[in-house]
Amino acid sequence: DIQMTQSPSSLSASVGDRVTITCRASQGIRNDLGWYQQRPGKAPRRLIYDASRLPGGVSSKFSGGGSGTEFTLTINSLQPEDFATYYCLQYHDFPHTFGQGTKLEIK
Amino acid sequence: EVQLVESGGGLVQPGGSLTLSCAASGFTFGIYNMSWVRQAPGKGLEWISHISGSGFATYYADAVKGRFTISRDNAKDSLFLLMNSLRDDDTAVYYCARRTGVDWGQGTLVTVSS
Repeated sequence: DIQMTQSPSSLSASVGDRVTITCRASQGIRNDLGWYQQRPGKAPRRLIYDASRLPGGVSSKFSGGGSGTEFTLTINSLQPEDFATYYCLQYHDFPHTFGQGTKLEIK
Repeated sequence: EVQLVESGGGLVQPGGSLTLSCAASGFTFGIYNMSWVRQAPGKGLEWISHISGSGFATYYADAVKGRFTISRDNAKDSLFLLMNSLRDDDTAVYYCARRTGVDWGQGTLVTVSS
């Protein structure tokens, strides 16, 4: 199975900051990776697919990068609604696997 | 508007069975792969199963293989998850998702406890 190692597990930042979250795959997954945001008590929401593509309706403050084994999610100009938990998901092979999550908290 | 509505969760004893349903609307259900993802209380997301649009191809996480069965009824725009031999660690909110999480339902809570 492909293991996804996400870091950091938690992150403290201020409104207006820019932050970057990283996911590393245990083997190459091309660009078969998505990023998801989950607010407390809510279902996840897709932010990025195919490592760097932004779905319609998602703010351009979110950007994704990387391919192969190393991937990043960058969030610009943090707003209060961005403080949530973020997950990566590889869908290159079955079983699909999520990273452990990054909880983004207000400093 | 795409809608996914899960149902069927509840309290079940260890060793018991439960079937979850997911009613889909707002898209052509039969052409899309579908997934089930769960989240134990206070924990992260866990992908558990996937089914192709035709229903012929299915995949499972090791944690549920042999106990859970994913299926679909394209005529009724519905996705199912039959869960047998339930264990305490199956307690979670279960989400259905279109493809690899393009859209998500609101989730249904399954509690396995005696």
